[in-house]
Amino acid sequence: DGGITQSPKYLFRKEGQNVTLSCEQNLNHDAMYWYRQDPGQGLRLIYYSQIVNDFQKGDIAEGYSVSREKKESFPLTVTSAQKNPTAFYLCASSISRWGQGTYEQYFGPGTRLTVT
Amino acid sequence: AQKITQTQPGMFVQEKEAVTLDCTYDTSDPSYGLFWYKQPSSGEMIFLIYQGSYDQQNATEGRYSLNFQKARKSANLVISASQLGDSAMYFCAMREGNQFYFGTGTSLTVIP
Repeated sequence: DGGITQSPKYLFRKEGQNVTLSCEQNLNHDAMYWYRQDPGQGLRLIYYSQIVNDFQKGDIAEGYSVSREKKESFPLTVTSAQKNPTAFYLCASSISRWGQGTYEQYFGPGTRLTVT
Repeated sequence: AQKITQTQPGMFVQEKEAVTLDCTYDTSDPSYGLFWYKQPSSGEMIFLIYQGSYDQQNATEGRYSLNFQKARKSANLVISASQLGDSAMYFCAMREGNQFYFGTGTSLTVIP
């Protein structure tokens, strides 16, 4: 089955600790994205990557870091510099070539991070 | 300026009735895509329907249709024959190149 996996589903951390959220896709998509969602809010873009070894900051990149060493994987690290890290994190991927097909984003099931 | 605007924070609809969820967008790019996603309480984002900026006809997918009014820059989602399982958050999104922009969502509640 093709899709996106995120693990774990729930994550608890103490304040001051870095934590890495996993995102893996087997859809052969070039582009991958990380979003943050707070209760009752829409999605805000943290980082996105259009190709291996390249990524760009989104609207709220401060306090986060990413890597894209493999096409299939786009892990997100929430650092201790992120002031309000408790949120729901969604990873997504899409085909990068524009002009063919719908090119919607496919989403993973999300990770709920709680930092106390 | 907001790229995607959803002005209805919450909507109620009677089961089996139709409902329209509003979405307006802002872009100067002639090539873009418009999407609607459903997010149930479990949190997953489910793709519902797509409309390309060059598409002449409104998109339809089963009970979902997208009322695309290009001159007004609106892309409203119409759900026909609402079911209890349609209760969820609905997000309108736009793609420009490889960037996606999301609205703040509309919470739909279907009343039995």
